[in-house]
Amino acid sequence: GESVGLHLPTLSVQEGDNSIINCAYSNSASDYFIWYKQESGKGPQFIIDIRSNMDKRQGQRVTVLLNKTVKHLSLQIAATQPGDSAVYFCAESGYNAGNMLTFGGGTRLMVKP
Amino acid sequence: DADVTQTPRNRITKTGKRIMLECSQTKGHDRMYWYRQDPGLGLRLIYYSFDVKDINKGEISDGYSVSRQAQAKFSLSLESAIPNQTALYFCATSDHREVQYFGAGTRLSVL
Repeated sequence: GESVGLHLPTLSVQEGDNSIINCAYSNSASDYFIWYKQESGKGPQFIIDIRSNMDKRQGQRVTVLLNKTVKHLSLQIAATQPGDSAVYFCAESGYNAGNMLTFGGGTRLMVKP
Repeated sequence: DADVTQTPRNRITKTGKRIMLECSQTKGHDRMYWYRQDPGLGLRLIYYSFDVKDINKGEISDGYSVSRQAQAKFSLSLESAIPNQTALYFCATSDHREVQYFGAGTRLSVL
């Protein structure tokens, strides 16, 4: 079936470095993608989203890149800080799925001081 | 997100017991969802509701039921809890767009 997944379950980066978290999706009909951050003991928190008519979108210290050709999504975090340590999920949806979100398994980002 | 409140935050129960997890929201959203999260896995949809009179099964609805008491309230029940229902449960809300806003979760242990 269709699925959303992540390449790396754990990513360890040095404080101040840039982080890149990847996500592969298989549903070619997906047209909307979201990144969530989940800190320990908390619910997922919306970070940034992107529609399929775009290939890049920037927020505050975060950038999402979408490559529809290879069905790949990435989240870039600039100047990673200790507060960025969390699990990051990608999610996708499309009209053929009733705009329901399908979530990936998550990547844990660990920031080393 | 304080706009989506889940109670209780933690619950320990025994096999065979009926329990209810509650969710309330102040965001004014029509759509509400219940998810289950197991260690190392993503969120799996249990039930969802697009308005007060609408209830839909998700990916893993067996063993669960829901009630949409009002636009702001959506409760999840385990009719007869079993150990493999031990998990973290999240409620979420959304308006007509796709972004969903989550509560802080309920950690449920079934002994």
